[in-house]
Amino acid sequence: DAGITQSPRHKVTETGTPVTLRCHQTENHRYMYWYRQDPGHGLRLIHYSYGVKDTDKGEVSDGYSVSRSKTEDFLLTLESATSSQTSVYFCAISTGERQPQHFGDGTRLSIL
Amino acid sequence: QKEVEQNSGPLSVPEGAIASLNCTYSDRGSQSFFWYRQYSGKSPELIMFIYSNGDKEDGRFTAQLNKASQYVSLLIRDSQPSDSATYLCAVNIGPGNTGKLIFGQGTTLQVKP
Repeated sequence: DAGITQSPRHKVTETGTPVTLRCHQTENHRYMYWYRQDPGHGLRLIHYSYGVKDTDKGEVSDGYSVSRSKTEDFLLTLESATSSQTSVYFCAISTGERQPQHFGDGTRLSIL
Repeated sequence: QKEVEQNSGPLSVPEGAIASLNCTYSDRGSQSFFWYRQYSGKSPELIMFIYSNGDKEDGRFTAQLNKASQYVSLLIRDSQPSDSATYLCAVNIGPGNTGKLIFGQGTTLQVKP
């Protein structure tokens, strides 16, 4: 959707392993966001980026890191995956602070 | 803790009726308000956004904003079974916030034929 590709779409991995999720956009939008969605908690912001190499934390950033070396790519890394990080992860993009965010199709991550 | 509250539902309406979805928020500095629709197993899809007090209409959808009372609502006219989904309210966190959004947990809408 809206020129956003998330990869992988599904992943199963083991506790303690590092995991990297990729968000790729073809819209040249400045802002990119990573969310997780869990039953009972809704969508929660993990990290966001407001430009190349400019990133900041969201409300649930512990255990996650991000990088943005190019406008089109925003990577989310789980440094040492835990079962509590089992979730659906969504990437979103927008053109500006007050502008609507558009979401990718999501990555379903299971950590056993 | 900045919050966005929605009734989880389910809200059940007959086909052709008006569905009214409500959302309240805690941050008086919020300036941007969004409604997303999410079908089960799918990603959120933008339905409406509103920045100023009053009503904003787009087809069968109307967003209403009242900043003094800190609520935003979404009306869906002539509801169709295909409107059955979870509707998420999202609010930005004050000025200069680099676009951070807080989401409500969503209201499930069921439109019965």
